[in-house]
Amino acid sequence: GESVGLHLPTLSVQEGDNSIINCAYSNSASDYFIWYKQESGKGPQFIIDIRSNMDKRQGQRVTVLLNKTVKHLSLQIAATQPGDSAVYFCAENRGNTPLVFGKGTRLSVIA
Amino acid sequence: GAGVSQSPSNKVTEKGKDVELRCDPISGHTALYWYRQSLGQGLEFLIYFQGNSAPDKSGLPSDRFSAERTGGSVSTLTIQRTQQEDSAVYLCASSWGLSGNTIYFGEGSWLTVV
Repeated sequence: GESVGLHLPTLSVQEGDNSIINCAYSNSASDYFIWYKQESGKGPQFIIDIRSNMDKRQGQRVTVLLNKTVKHLSLQIAATQPGDSAVYFCAENRGNTPLVFGKGTRLSVIA
Repeated sequence: GAGVSQSPSNKVTEKGKDVELRCDPISGHTALYWYRQSLGQGLEFLIYFQGNSAPDKSGLPSDRFSAERTGGSVSTLTIQRTQQEDSAVYLCASSWGLSGNTIYFGEGSWLTVV
């Protein structure tokens, strides 16, 4: 069935290295994607979004890439810091329907 | 307010009791959502409200769950006759409209049913 999911459930990265978190989606009609960061005991925090008419979008230390051909979304974090340790969720919006979330990837930054 | 506000932040209740969880969305946001997150899991959609339209209740897990939104602003999620499997974080979110707009979350209401 249609779903949003993640390739890797956990990711350990050395402090200062770049992190890449991947997400796959199955509905080609999805036109809006968001990455959220969730720290322990807190609600999801918006990081960056991208619309389907774009391939790449950059923020502060973060970049989201969208490959519509293979229905793949990734979040790149440059110079990963201990404060980046959290669970990261991708979510997709399919027209006038609520966001559908993936299961999340836990990012652990090794000092 | 500046962000989505939820109360209570923590609630411990006995099995069989009813609970009410409150959400105050960002001022002016027309769409309001409730999600549930069990320990270590992803977000499960429960219900959303968009303006004056009838709410989408398709995600509510049983008829013990209900929600209302008064005056297009504050929302209350009610769980009747709570069960232990209802223990989770209940997250509220809001946005400008439904499609293609950033959704902002509150910090959640942590419910424990004992």
